[in-house]
Amino acid sequence: AQSVTQLDSQVPVFEEAPVELRCNYSSSVSVYLFWYVQYPNQGLQLLLKYLSGSTLVESINGFEAEFNKSQTSFHLRKPSVHISDTAEYFCAVIVTGANNLFFGTGTRLTVIP
Amino acid sequence: NAGVMQNPRHLVRRRGQEARLRCSPMKGHSHVYWYRQLPEEGLKFMVYLQKENIIDESGMPKERFSAEFPKEGPSILRIQQVVRGDSAAYFCASSEEGNIQYFGAGTRLSVL
Repeated sequence: AQSVTQLDSQVPVFEEAPVELRCNYSSSVSVYLFWYVQYPNQGLQLLLKYLSGSTLVESINGFEAEFNKSQTSFHLRKPSVHISDTAEYFCAVIVTGANNLFFGTGTRLTVIP
Repeated sequence: NAGVMQNPRHLVRRRGQEARLRCSPMKGHSHVYWYRQLPEEGLKFMVYLQKENIIDESGMPKERFSAEFPKEGPSILRIQQVVRGDSAAYFCASSEEGNIQYFGAGTRLSVL
């Protein structure tokens, strides 16, 4: 069975500081990995994905995540956060060829001015 | 806007009433998924449908919940005789063939 662990439920960070949101997964088969972001009272937006190829993937707004197969991790990082990055971030996995995403419980990022 | 459209955004029902949640997938997408988000939890898969077919309903409660995706019109998630424990945010996602799912803004159901 698959599972996703997001170790930090809340992460406060000052504006312009770096941040890392941790995500570990458990699966005996190959998976695809995703980060979704949920702004207050909105739906989930796809932030970035790892399907294959380079293990470092980037988003258009400065976030990046690295797939580490040996550590079964897909941590999300940003070198300098902005107030507008305040949101809930969900890590998710899907077994290749399967139908449903497995989500972590989310990490609430709060950027402090 | 060609995104996934869900309505209503907010739905209030009294215990015992029926709730109907609608989802129109992105243009060109024929795969629809429903997820439920309970307070302080991540999303949990409920059901996966293609046009006129339920493909995987392994996450659906056995009673009171049903889903359809007719040939014409939106996908419907129906909850009969709602109870307080059904209060949650219900999200719909759609995809083309493949694994990248795009989500709607969700319907927040409150059961009084």
